[in-house]
Amino acid sequence: DAKTTQPNSMESNEEEPVHLPCNHSTISGTDYIHWYRQLPSQGPEYVIHGLTSNVNNRMASLAIAEDRKSSTLILHRATLRDAAVYYCILRVRTSGSRLTFGEGTQLTVNP
Amino acid sequence: DTEVTQTPKHLVMGMTNKKSLKCEQHMGHRAMYWYKQKAKKPPELMFVYSYEKLSINESVPSRFSPECPNSSLLNLHLHALQPEDSALYLCASSQIGRGVNGYTFGSGTRLTVV
Repeated sequence: DAKTTQPNSMESNEEEPVHLPCNHSTISGTDYIHWYRQLPSQGPEYVIHGLTSNVNNRMASLAIAEDRKSSTLILHRATLRDAAVYYCILRVRTSGSRLTFGEGTQLTVNP
Repeated sequence: DTEVTQTPKHLVMGMTNKKSLKCEQHMGHRAMYWYKQKAKKPPELMFVYSYEKLSINESVPSRFSPECPNSSLLNLHLHALQPEDSALYLCASSQIGRGVNGYTFGSGTRLTVV
C-alpha cells in the first residue's frame, strides 16, 4: 500500500477552521484518498473520501492537489467534539478490501 | 440501521479460557473486518471476509480464529491468549466495490487477558 505522511499533532481554537495536511507522493491512479477520525474510546469514523476532485460533505471538505500527491482535510469551524486522531489513508480503487492506518494526526481543540 | 454492533464491550479472560467476540451489521455490507488496536497506536488489520469467505489473514496467530456464519455476523474466537493480546478489538464492514465507500466501524471490545 502507498504510504501517507501526516503531522503527529496539531492544535486549533474552537470555532476556527482547521486544515489537516496529508502527503502521499507515491499515490497511484487507482488510489482513493480516505479520511477517518477516531474519538477517544470509540472506533474510527469515516469522514470523507475523494479521487481527484475536491469534495464536500456535512462533516468536512477535502481538497486534493492537482498532482494528487497531497491533500488537506478542512474542518470549517472546529468544535471541542472534533478533538480526535485524524487518519489519512489511501485505498486501492479496485480491491475494496484493505484499509491500512498510518499514525495519524492528533487534533487538539482549545476552548 | 447504519451501525456495526460489537459485543461484549469489555471482556476479561484468563490465559486458559475460550471466549468469543461478536460483530453484527444489517447494512447489507458484504465485506467485514477485524482490527486490533493497542493503546496510542493505529488499528492493525487482522482478517478480512468477502462474501462470507476469508480473503485476508494478516499472519495472525492461530489462537485467534475468525468465523463468518452469514453476511450479517462476524465472530472472533479466542483461545489460549497471552497478556500481550490485551487490546481494543474493532469490527468494521463495507460494501465491496471500487473503493468508493467508507468503512463503518463498531465501538470495539476492550479485551484484557490476565
